[in-house]
Amino acid sequence: NAGVMQNPRHLVRRRGQEARLRCSPMKGHSHVYWYRQLPEEGLKFMVYLQKENIIDESGMPKERFSAEFPKEGPSILRIQQVVRGDSAAYFCASSSTGRETNTGELFFGEGSRLTVL
Amino acid sequence: GDSVTQMEGPVTLSEEAFLTINCTYTATGYPSLFWYVQYPGEGLQLLLKATKADDKGSNKGFEATYRKETTSFHLEKGSVQVSDSAVYFCARSFNAGGTSYGKLTFGQGTILTVHP
Repeated sequence: NAGVMQNPRHLVRRRGQEARLRCSPMKGHSHVYWYRQLPEEGLKFMVYLQKENIIDESGMPKERFSAEFPKEGPSILRIQQVVRGDSAAYFCASSSTGRETNTGELFFGEGSRLTVL
Repeated sequence: GDSVTQMEGPVTLSEEAFLTINCTYTATGYPSLFWYVQYPGEGLQLLLKATKADDKGSNKGFEATYRKETTSFHLEKGSVQVSDSAVYFCARSFNAGGTSYGKLTFGQGTILTVHP
């Protein structure tokens, strides 16, 4: 029973390039969340998606960042024209249900570590 | 806004020592509280949770009690093992009532290392 799969685990980009991070949720999960962890900080919520819908993107930077979760295939977090400040660990999490009370039980992937040179 | 503050680490203990990792949260609303753990090379896993004041979450010998009066949710274990070495994250649900749909506010994490 595969867990949440993220790839790549490590990604190096030069300033101005694009970064694409992929996340396959656990089998049977249709709710995906992306979190970002900057150095020396906790995880920060970025976006919550269901299949073909963005439910909450209140944590996404207004520019250069986008996320999708298509009907088929993994969820993708896309960062255009990367800058050094984008260097961070990006974690994907999934859950089997959405708007329910008091669960908080997310299943996390191992993270993708982006380094911008 | 919502925030969670954890004690600064790293924490280094000998096997069978007592562990406390402090966590406090902002008191907006009535959040649910969580401890997640990240073992080396793995993703975060839910360790325990508490959904209302005075609730005690427990799992694998770890405990934490939801203290509304002190806005705290400190993690404790009476006798740690080498296998407990990991990063521990305290978290709260986003808004009042616990309808968080996975949108959590995390502390910065505490690295625990247990030596034999």
